[in-house]
Amino acid sequence: AQSVAQPEDQVNVAEGNPLTVKCTYSVSGNPYLFWYVQYPNRGLQFLLKYITGDNLVKGSYGFEAEFNKSQTSFHLKKPSALVSDSALYFCAVIPLEGGSYIPTFGRGTSLIVHP
Amino acid sequence: DSGVTQTPKHLITATGQRVTLRCSPRSGDLSVYWYQQSLDQGLQFLIQYYNGEERAKGNILERFSAQQFPDLHSELNLSSLELGDSALYFCASSQFRGANVLTFGAGSRLTVL
Repeated sequence: AQSVAQPEDQVNVAEGNPLTVKCTYSVSGNPYLFWYVQYPNRGLQFLLKYITGDNLVKGSYGFEAEFNKSQTSFHLKKPSALVSDSALYFCAVIPLEGGSYIPTFGRGTSLIVHP
Repeated sequence: DSGVTQTPKHLITATGQRVTLRCSPRSGDLSVYWYQQSLDQGLQFLIQYYNGEERAKGNILERFSAQQFPDLHSELNLSSLELGDSALYFCASSQFRGANVLTFGAGSRLTVL
């Protein structure tokens, strides 16, 4: 069965500094990988996805993520954090093999950007 | 507004009761997913429907059931409620059955007292 680990419950960063939210995954075969963001009292919103091709994926609001197959990681990054980026971030994986195509989510990482 | 509508937004009920959560998917989406979000368990997949048929089942309790109707809206029925069922229940939709981006509703917050 597939799994996703987000090793940090919370990440604190100063506004203007680069940010990284970590994600590692375990899946049989090749994965589809996703990042979603959840603002307070809202549902999850799609940020970006990796399916195939370039390991560096660019998404919404200036976020990007790098797929590293050897380290089974898909860390979310942004060069310069904004206070408005403060939210809960979820990594998700879908295995290409198996046919169920159900996303498994990590437990989420709370990003706090300080002014 | 994501286009996925969930009602009610908040629900407070007592142990042993039964509730129904409703979801209208985004226009054109055929697949509906239900997830439960709690502090201790994170985001747990419950069940998926595609065009009226059940397609995948996750960690859904026997006390819970769901269905997708011909107009593609879905309902999640929770019965014999326990305190531990208190959580945020999300519905998400996608156009196809495969590995798609999900569009989430704002959720239904269930509190069992």
